[in-house]
Amino acid sequence: GEDVEQSLFLSVREGDSSVINCTYTDSSSTYLYWYKQEPGAGLQLLTYIFSNMDMKQDQRLTVLLNKKDKHLSLRIADTQTGDSAIYFCAEEKGSYIPTFGRGTSLIVHP
Amino acid sequence: EAQVTQNPRYLITVTGKKLTVTCSQNMNHEYMSWYRQDPGLGLRQIYYSMNVEVTDKGDVPEGYKVSRKEKRNFPLILESPSPNQTSLYFCASSLQGPLNEKLFFGSGTQLSVL
Repeated sequence: GEDVEQSLFLSVREGDSSVINCTYTDSSSTYLYWYKQEPGAGLQLLTYIFSNMDMKQDQRLTVLLNKKDKHLSLRIADTQTGDSAIYFCAEEKGSYIPTFGRGTSLIVHP
Repeated sequence: EAQVTQNPRYLITVTGKKLTVTCSQNMNHEYMSWYRQDPGLGLRQIYYSMNVEVTDKGDVPEGYKVSRKEKRNFPLILESPSPNQTSLYFCASSLQGPLNEKLFFGSGTQLSVL
């Protein structure tokens, strides 16, 4: 199966929280990343979490890591229309070849 | 301004006509990498380079070549492009490698091979 799996679409109302989920298969993953891609642009690193952490918070973003279930989530509080983008989860196993998920398209509607 | 610059942004070509997509970074990064992005498949790594004259295959290297003669440049070469190489290509760099290092991405090159 896929190394990193994400659902393809998520639609939320402006002001609500968004939760984007990701599962990975390799328990030896050291770092897990969330990237954001806006239309017509490259990817920007949003945040990352080291595998020995459970949670990381950065302003409106909260990353939760469940190592037992190999599950990573990105929560965006108070979602705005400017948050509409594709969000990529990626795992890094120390091989210098990060593996990306297929991306989740977040659509924020009024 | 720190950036990764790819050229061209858009390219339409025909099967078999050699082409090069350039990538340049001004951050003195050692690590550079090429990805292709296809609908429903996400990003897949083509080649990467840990330093000058050091290149390695990623997940999907077939049909591509790269070179790293100098630190700032990492061109992607398609010797004989085919329609299945129609894709969106991204170059990325980081200081020493993606492990715990922020990857800086270029704006992308949309390639269409007819």
